[in-house]
Amino acid sequence: GAGVSQTPSNKVTEKGKYVELRCDPISGHTALYWYRQSLGQGPEFLIYFQGTGAADDSGLPNDRFFAVRPEGSVSTLKIQRTERGDSAVYLCASSSGVAKNIQYFGAGTRLSVL
Amino acid sequence: KQEVTQIPAALSVPEGENLVLNCSFTDSAIYNLQWFRQDPGKGLTSLLLIQSSQREQTSGRLNASLDKSSGRSTLYIAASQPGDSATYLCAVGSPTGANSKLTFGKGITLSVRP
Repeated sequence: GAGVSQTPSNKVTEKGKYVELRCDPISGHTALYWYRQSLGQGPEFLIYFQGTGAADDSGLPNDRFFAVRPEGSVSTLKIQRTERGDSAVYLCASSSGVAKNIQYFGAGTRLSVL
Repeated sequence: KQEVTQIPAALSVPEGENLVLNCSFTDSAIYNLQWFRQDPGKGLTSLLLIQSSQREQTSGRLNASLDKSSGRSTLYIAASQPGDSATYLCAVGSPTGANSKLTFGKGITLSVRP
């Protein structure tokens, strides 16, 4: 596609439920990143994929958060037993992995945990 | 741990004014520095990227400078316009190679008054 696509754009769930957030990177981009942005804050790094493997998952807050990228393209961020504190905008970015490594961001998924 | 600071949190200027947005970071061992623009409810748009070996980058009315040794970057906006109103985020790339995670500041919300 022309840009990074994230679905859904909005997700409302109840405390304790399981959610999946999807990211379609720019075609051909090998690197994919997930960030989380709380209100009034800058985005915070969660996890980075190079191809199919998670090269750096140091930003995942706890074991309720998990992400996959099985074919090296689309990625899914999975959150188990959601808590109200998980409410935020989840941003995905991709880069070509060469030269300047400019990261291109999607519009994000706004997650609200009631 | 890298920390990125952007002060002030908000800025209001009259149309036509030249302005400077500041960014500081605590660890000078960076891979690159990127300036982003974020409009309300939208994702991030990359404005300029400066590699660690560079001193500045220019694009149209925007000029970004980098002083690694002092841990500072500035984004200069010439002849500001109401359409420049947005939040501007500074992000530092960690020195782990071409594909590096970004550490963001909280952003500066700019309002340009007609």
